[in-house]
Amino acid sequence: DTEVTQTPKHLVMGMTNKKSLKCEQHMGHRAMYWYKQKAKKPPELMFVYSYEKLSINESVPSRFSPECPNSSLLNLHLHALQPEDSALYLCASSRWGGNTEAFFGQGTRLTVV
Amino acid sequence: AQTVTQSQPEMSVQEAETVTLSCTYDTSESNYYLFWYKQPPSRQMILVIRQEAYKQQNATENRFSVNFQKAAKSFSLKISDSQLGDTAMYFCAFMKHDSGQNFVFGPGTRLSVLP
Repeated sequence: DTEVTQTPKHLVMGMTNKKSLKCEQHMGHRAMYWYKQKAKKPPELMFVYSYEKLSINESVPSRFSPECPNSSLLNLHLHALQPEDSALYLCASSRWGGNTEAFFGQGTRLTVV
Repeated sequence: AQTVTQSQPEMSVQEAETVTLSCTYDTSESNYYLFWYKQPPSRQMILVIRQEAYKQQNATENRFSVNFQKAAKSFSLKISDSQLGDTAMYFCAFMKHDSGQNFVFGPGTRLSVLP
């Protein structure tokens, strides 16, 4: 199983809503990531978790709150988002360290209205 | 900080032909990894090929090969016998050794394979 599963695939939310994105992998990977990708742009790293601990936070606004409840799950909690936060949110996982492939999910297309 | 540049925003190639996508990067690191990822319309990023900077031999994966020039900081991707399924965005990516898997992506090249 080399899948990273993200739910939901599409999400429309209002600026006052609270929602969560979910990511799951069963490859035994101990590193998990959230990326944000705007249209026609490359992915931008938001957060990195290693061994269920937050190791990198790329100065992401607090309206994005990551959570890693166990080694297979990664959540991204959203609240009070702005329309400019509309984007494709990609989750990825990999083994920790060095020359290793990152496996990506298909992403959640988020629209903030 | 590392930067990755892809100078070709869009390219097209006829089916069964060969195409080369360019990538240059800037780093002061000596130990790092380079990757090419493709992102088809399905949105999922898929690894095409990877190269360790300490290896002089160019990586090859079936129809995909790279030309890695460390001194020139160049990492181009050659696709031979192009297929319609190769149509996608292609991102060159850099990762420092022991950097916490922090990929730095280039801006991407949109490749269209024409029948």
